[in-house]
Amino acid sequence: SYVLTQPPSVSVAPGKTARITCGGNNIGSKSVHWYQQKPGQAPVLVIYYDSDRPSGIPERFSGSNSGNTATLTISRVEAGDEADYYCQVWDSSSDHPVVFGGGTKLTVL
Amino acid sequence: QVQLVESGGGLVKPGGSLRLSCAASGFTFSDYYMSWIRQAPGKGLEWVSYISSSGSTIYYADSVKGRFTISRDNAKNSLYLQMNSLRAEDTAVYYCARVIAAAEAFDYWGQGTLVTVSS
Repeated sequence: SYVLTQPPSVSVAPGKTARITCGGNNIGSKSVHWYQQKPGQAPVLVIYYDSDRPSGIPERFSGSNSGNTATLTISRVEAGDEADYYCQVWDSSSDHPVVFGGGTKLTVL
Repeated sequence: QVQLVESGGGLVKPGGSLRLSCAASGFTFSDYYMSWIRQAPGKGLEWVSYISSSGSTIYYADSVKGRFTISRDNAKNSLYLQMNSLRAEDTAVYYCARVIAAAEAFDYWGQGTLVTVSS
């Protein structure tokens, strides 16, 4: 089955740019979605279709996807961005098609 | 506004059963695919099951196949998850989530309901 690999943790200073990667075999051929989850809360979709933002998500959140790596980029990081971030794809070749990455804890220093 | 409210969680013994419900409002439920996703304490997200808008297409994770059954009642705007032969490793917060058509992403999530499997 398809596997998505994320770094367990990423740290960034306030005001800087955070980049969270999601690795998968030829992931560039799939649509990647990203979720933010704060402690005790349900996940929130922050990027879908690689780079589209749902309404209400700040422009500071952006995404890209090429080759074997998809990336969630958070510009001008704020303390409130500290959360777990998960990537997700739909693997159409499988009969258990929804795949999540293991998650990345973003720490704002 | 879109709302998804799960219920039915609780403490159950290994081998027992539980039925989760998800009440949907604020959108035309019958137009959307739906899914259950769970999260064990301190762990990441794990997809559980997925059902098409009509209920004709269903998928399960290998970890629950043969034990869990997803269903929906479009007349009642409700999604269900029947969980049988529960194991300790099924302990998790269970979320229902709406699927964005064609994108296969989850745009709205409920607040979750906790299932604890323990003797």
